[in-house]
Order: sequence, then structure tokens, then C-alpha cells
Amino acid sequence: NAGVTQTPKFRILKIGQSMTLQCTQDMNHNYMYWYRQDPGMGLKLIYYSVGAGITDKGEVPNGYNVSRSTTEDFPLRLELAAPSQTSVYFCASSLGGSHYNEQFFGPGTRLTVL
Amino acid sequence: GENVEQHPSTLSVQEGDSAVIKCTYSDSASNYFPWYKQELGKGPQLIIDIRSNVGEKKDQRIAVTLNKTAKHFSLHITETQPEDSAVYFCAADGSSNTGKLIFGQGTTLQVKP
Repeated sequence: NAGVTQTPKFRILKIGQSMTLQCTQDMNHNYMYWYRQDPGMGLKLIYYSVGAGITDKGEVPNGYNVSRSTTEDFPLRLELAAPSQTSVYFCASSLGGSHYNEQFFGPGTRLTVL
Repeated sequence: GENVEQHPSTLSVQEGDSAVIKCTYSDSASNYFPWYKQELGKGPQLIIDIRSNVGEKKDQRIAVTLNKTAKHFSLHITETQPEDSAVYFCAADGSSNTGKLIFGQGTTLQVKP
């Protein structure tokens, strides 16, 4: 298993541009998550999904959108990029259910908005 | 909602010494408390977790303790080694059943050879 994969690894955007961060997992996990990690701030949940076709907001959803058309993929869309969205983005997945909480993380995407 | 506070933000120890990282949480309904280790340039990886029906759990050199009454839990690393140097995050699951985790701010552990 490749686990959770994310593309791209690095990206520089200009203010106002848009992009999609890709996330794929091959573990047949039901639950998937997007986090952003700012220096000294830990991980903040942006959006999450408990299954294909179901998504919901996390702590910091403004400026982002997600979709979950398949079990494997959970892309994160940035519209009208702003400098405040400069961060490292992590995708994670878990099997789901009260006894399968372990989240498996991807390697991250480092995004800079100039 | 759940809030998790983690201390200290940085910790430096000599190789062979013990390291302790502490977290407090606010939602008494939380019942799952994982600890993640993040090495430079990588995603976090689970190293140990504990559920609310257990007070302590050990795995070789690492252990986690949970005090539900006081709403705090701690990570203990004994006989530290240079490869233990990393950022450590605690988390709690809050009262939702969606698997969401609320993370602490992280502790940068440096183990000096």
C-alpha cells in the first residue's frame, strides 16, 4: 500500500490564483481530512469527509472547498489564493468508527502565496 | 468545542534522560487521546494512543498516562535517543463521532548526544 499520497509537494501561487491539492488513499478508508499546519500553531482541521458524497467544515474552512466523489480521493480547492493561505497542508484518512480512530497522514504540500 | 493545550513548546534533554510532554483538554466527553511524532519534512505519525477506560499504556520506551478527572494526559519517553528528536503532537477526539481530532500546538523535542 502507498498509504496517503499528496500532490504537489511544493507550489508557489500568486495572489488571486486558484489551485487544487490532490489527496488519494489506497487503504479503503471511509474518513478523510484536510489540515493546515502553521508554525507553532499545530494542525487545524479545514474540511473532513465521512464517506463518498459527504463533506463537512472543520475549524478553518474559509477560502477552501472540497469534494468527495470516490472513497479514494479527497481534493482540496483553493479559490482566489491569499497570503494567509501560505501553509503546509496535510491530508489524512482513517477507517472510521469508534475503535478505528488512527489517522494516517500524507507527506504534505507546502504552499506559498505571494 | 474541544480545546487542547500542550506544554512545553520546546524541550531539550541529554541523550539517555527522560522527556515528559503534558496536555490538557476541555471536553469531558473526549475518550480517545493519540500522540503523533512529526519528523522534519514529513507528515505526523501515530506513536501511541490511549482511551478513556485506561489510565496508562506503555510501548517500549514510550508511555502515556491519562487523568480523566483532571482532564490531562502526558507522554513519557525514557532513555531518549537522538532519533527521538522531532515535533510531538497530542490530540483529543472531542464529543463527535466523526473521527475528528483536535491537536495541541506541538512540542519540539531536541535530544542532545
